[in-house]
Amino acid sequence: DAGVIQSPRHEVTEMGQEVTLRCKPISGHDYLFWYRQTMMRGLELLIYFNNNVPIDDSGMPEDRFSAKMPNASFSTLKIQPSEPRDSAVYFCASSLGRVNTEAFFGQGTRLTVV
Amino acid sequence: AQKVTQAQTEISVVEKEDVTLDCVYETRDTTYYLFWYKQPPSGELVFLIRRNSFDEQNEISGRYSWNFQKSTSSFNFTITASQVVDSAVYFCALSPGFQKLVFGTGTRLLVSP
Repeated sequence: DAGVIQSPRHEVTEMGQEVTLRCKPISGHDYLFWYRQTMMRGLELLIYFNNNVPIDDSGMPEDRFSAKMPNASFSTLKIQPSEPRDSAVYFCASSLGRVNTEAFFGQGTRLTVV
Repeated sequence: AQKVTQAQTEISVVEKEDVTLDCVYETRDTTYYLFWYKQPPSGELVFLIRRNSFDEQNEISGRYSWNFQKSTSSFNFTITASQVVDSAVYFCALSPGFQKLVFGTGTRLLVSP
């Protein structure tokens, strides 16, 4: 299997622009997670899905952030409008069977908002 | 409250030295899971181990070993005979009950030749 695939790997955008991050989980995995990593806050779980349904979005920082999972093989994290403080590495991860089992992470998207 | 503390921000060792990364956790749940992940310079997070709260048996995998002690709420990770390729940031994480993971702040390990 190719693992969790994220795109783009790097994104530079101007403040106020819409940003969409994409994730393809490992085939057959029923959990999908979006994390954000910053120097100040470390690794934070933003939202996770089970069988394409959002289960817990309590980590989403504000209404500018939204996530969707239209099918089992694709998810998006959207920021609209983006702000410089959104600059971070965003990881997608997937797992099978439980929310707290081994999760496989993508290589992340490094987002820079200028 | 659920919390993971990795007090060591950065550790530097010379190749072939043994090194222990500390992890202390807080939870009121009697059932929980503990994890270690490695983040090499390439950036992705790599799963290393998962233990449940009912299994305090120490585990060894090659040069890696883990010491789980409920009495001190610790889940420490030791690398024996460290190598340059072990240089990475290591994260300890906690999942209380069957809830989402809470990560520690990570320990950066630098292994020099």
